[in-house]
Amino acid sequence: AQSVTQLGSHVSVSEGALVLLRCNYSSSVPPYLFWYVQYPNQGLQLLLKYTTGATLVKGINGFEAEFKKSETSFHLTKPSAHMSDAAEYFCAVSSNNRLAFGKGNQVVVIP
Amino acid sequence: SAVISQKPSRDICQRGTSLTIQCQVDSQVTMMFWYRQQPGQSLTLIATANQGSEATYESGFVIDKFPISRPNLTFSTLTVSNMSPEDSSIYLCSVGEGFTYEQYFGPGTRLTVT
Repeated sequence: AQSVTQLGSHVSVSEGALVLLRCNYSSSVPPYLFWYVQYPNQGLQLLLKYTTGATLVKGINGFEAEFKKSETSFHLTKPSAHMSDAAEYFCAVSSNNRLAFGKGNQVVVIP
Repeated sequence: SAVISQKPSRDICQRGTSLTIQCQVDSQVTMMFWYRQQPGQSLTLIATANQGSEATYESGFVIDKFPISRPNLTFSTLTVSNMSPEDSSIYLCSVGEGFTYEQYFGPGTRLTVT
């Protein structure tokens, strides 16, 4: 069965600094991978997805992620953090018509 | 992507009572899902609700506790029955689209059981 690992439940980043959230997956078949963001008191919003083709995918709000098959990774980055990026971020892999979610990273942006 | 709404957005209920959560989609979809998100936790899938068939429950969730209806391709309900404080969570519905099985989520229902 597919699974996702996100390390470090809380991530603090200074405003203007690089945001890096790590995601590793296990999958027996070529995966479809997703990053979701959850702002306080809201549902989940799809940030970006990898299906096939280009391994560097760009999403909303300046985020991007790179699929690295050799490392079974799909890390999320943003060059310059903004206060509005404070939220929880979930990595997910699709499997058998359903999504398997990581435990999430709570991002805190320090002014 | 589909636009999904949920009712109620939040509720405070007494133990032993039941609450029915509604999920409405602005387009016809085959796959709908119900999740629970306990405080500070990730999402746990409760069940998959496809129109025209019985809901499929994940391990640890049973129909008597979480009955689900799926009367048509745009609507579903989840009932949380005989509630206890341990049922205090956010309940989210989502719809699955496309061959990648990506999902789009409603805003969630925040349930507090006292």
